[in-house]
Amino acid sequence: EVQLLESGGGLVQPGGSLRLSCAASGFTLSTYPMSWVRQAPGKGLEWVSLISDSGDSTCYADSVKGRFTISRDNSKNTLYLQMTSLRVEDTAVYYCARRAWLEYWGQGTLVTVSS
Amino acid sequence: DIQMTQSPSSLSASVGDRVTITCRASQGISNNLGWYQQKPGKAPKRLIYAASSLQSGVPSRFSGSGSGTEFTLTISSLQPEDFATYYCLQHNSCPYTFGQGTKLEIK
Repeated sequence: EVQLLESGGGLVQPGGSLRLSCAASGFTLSTYPMSWVRQAPGKGLEWVSLISDSGDSTCYADSVKGRFTISRDNSKNTLYLQMTSLRVEDTAVYYCARRAWLEYWGQGTLVTVSS
Repeated sequence: DIQMTQSPSSLSASVGDRVTITCRASQGISNNLGWYQQKPGKAPKRLIYAASSLQSGVPSRFSGSGSGTEFTLTISSLQPEDFATYYCLQHNSCPYTFGQGTKLEIK
């Protein structure tokens, strides 16, 4: 059974940093591109980032480009999202999902940016 | 970047009704579009991929159509469990983009 489990969310001050993790099980992470999607409280879904299966190609939403970095450790079957220079508007539930077309989703981890 | 315009933003309907939700892309995206259902407090779930292919396990009352710039999601006969928010996603060219969502409510 495919499972994705996000962790690393929490409360951080504006300007701070946080690293999210997504542990994959039930499949071999190295053979799939992976994505991050977020949802601010009471708002719609926002696509955030994609990484290729090998990790050598990435893409970002304009709203996070230059501040967020997606990466993966295929030996640990884990996907990451390093978030820096966090803003209040980055407050959201962050989901990881398999492939560009988001065929499986994790349950999400809440990031709150507030002073 | 490709913009996805989804309509309507909200919809009231009754059990048994047929409903249609539309997404329009600002430029052609072939059939690189998916539809997702989200219930309150839950992660989204994929319903349709490649614009018209039904995800395994999803009831056949859900269907998708379209190609290029105009796409529709149709629910042929609404069931109580279908009241949720629906989103389209274009994954033709990065950055990918979602529609604004359609909240389907019970009339």
